[in-house]
Amino acid sequence: DAMVIQNPRYQVTQFGKPVTLSCSQTLNHNVMYWYQQKSSQAPKLLFHYYDKDFNNEADTPDNFQSRRPNTSFCFLDIRSPGLGDAAMYLCATSRDLGQGRVQPQHFGDGTRLSIL
Amino acid sequence: ILNVEQSPQSLHVQEGDSTNFTCSFPSSNFYALHWYRWETAKSPEALFVMTLNGDEKKKGRISATLNTKEGYSYLYIKGSQPEDSATYLCGYSGNTPLVFGKGTRLSVIA
Repeated sequence: DAMVIQNPRYQVTQFGKPVTLSCSQTLNHNVMYWYQQKSSQAPKLLFHYYDKDFNNEADTPDNFQSRRPNTSFCFLDIRSPGLGDAAMYLCATSRDLGQGRVQPQHFGDGTRLSIL
Repeated sequence: ILNVEQSPQSLHVQEGDSTNFTCSFPSSNFYALHWYRWETAKSPEALFVMTLNGDEKKKGRISATLNTKEGYSYLYIKGSQPEDSATYLCGYSGNTPLVFGKGTRLSVIA
């Protein structure tokens, strides 16, 4: 049974039209992460939540926002998607313990975002 | 900027061959090194999390070693099978959350 679920699997949006990607987890993990992976590149951390505490990476564009209304759900909002935001977006979770550094992260299948 | 390098970028091997690939990472402020296996159209799956210099971990035909002093880890696959075809990602954690490499894409030809 999938423990980290991302919806939708594929998302197509128009240039400049806001889009929301969702992630849910049944693991009751404290930490949830959003990564962006562009073709042939390393997955890049955008931000993470430790419980309700939001941690933004310094180079994450302002265009990207996140919400975590409860332990199970986390959303990635892209306010005005540009062509350069087309990528695979991965959600992951981990238990606490030093920001998941010594516990494996559990990933969803990802959402592939295309921009028209 | 933290740099995590994986080599080779891609690899093709015949079924039954053994293979290995490398992950290089900063040797300072080391906390943990993760290996993940990512099959196409699936989610990345954790293989190993390693924290101690000289550590060696094994899962079936796959094993990994860690050298934190010189900043590298090797992943070995013994007797590769077509189902081993995937991208293998390593992630380094120092004072920050995980920083991933670009991965090594392995194709095992039957």
